[in-house]
Amino acid sequence: KAGVTQTPRYLIKTRGQQVTLSCSPISGHRSVSWYQQTPGQGLQFLFEYFSETQRNKGNFPGRFSGRQFSNSRSEMNVSTLELGDSALYLCASSRSGNFYEQYFGPGTRLTVT
Amino acid sequence: AQTVTQSQPEMSVQEAETVTLSCTYDTSESDYYLFWYKQPPSRQMILVIRQEAYKQQNATENRFSVNFQKAAKSFSLKISDSQLGDAAMYFCAYRSTTQGGSEKLVFGKGTKLTVNP
Repeated sequence: KAGVTQTPRYLIKTRGQQVTLSCSPISGHRSVSWYQQTPGQGLQFLFEYFSETQRNKGNFPGRFSGRQFSNSRSEMNVSTLELGDSALYLCASSRSGNFYEQYFGPGTRLTVT
Repeated sequence: AQTVTQSQPEMSVQEAETVTLSCTYDTSESDYYLFWYKQPPSRQMILVIRQEAYKQQNATENRFSVNFQKAAKSFSLKISDSQLGDAAMYFCAYRSTTQGGSEKLVFGKGTKLTVNP
């Protein structure tokens, strides 16, 4: 069974631009969660989608948004990029959500210049 | 707010020896989940072990086991017979439920484990 895939793996953007990251979960998994990992703040939960609905949300500004499609694939969008948005963005999928058994993707490394 | 503290930024262990990573958390909830995740240099997070707070028995997964002390709010990870492949960042995490009923994972800052041959 294929694992969680994230595209692109690396991305360089300029301050003020917007970016969209994609996550394809394991087949049969209906929950996708997103996390931001930085050296300063560590790992922080962004949001979770389940069956196309945002079910849980972390403490991030409205510039960070996401959505989930009917095939469970999810996208995360960051608008008006700031230097501090440079991070590794991880997504994780699970069959039923609630963080009980998550499988992580390899991450997307975003650099904002 | 729930917090997770890993007091050891770095640890090292000799191959085949045993090492224990510490984690404490702060919560007012009585029912929750705790996790240990491993992040090797490839950066892909892997679930090592989880513990349901209502279970008194400590979770075990092969060479990995936890010492869950609910009253002390402590959740340490013991790695027995350490192998070179165990070298990684280890993150302790707590599944938090907010006042509105939504959930999120709260992570500690991590412990970098080095395994010496």
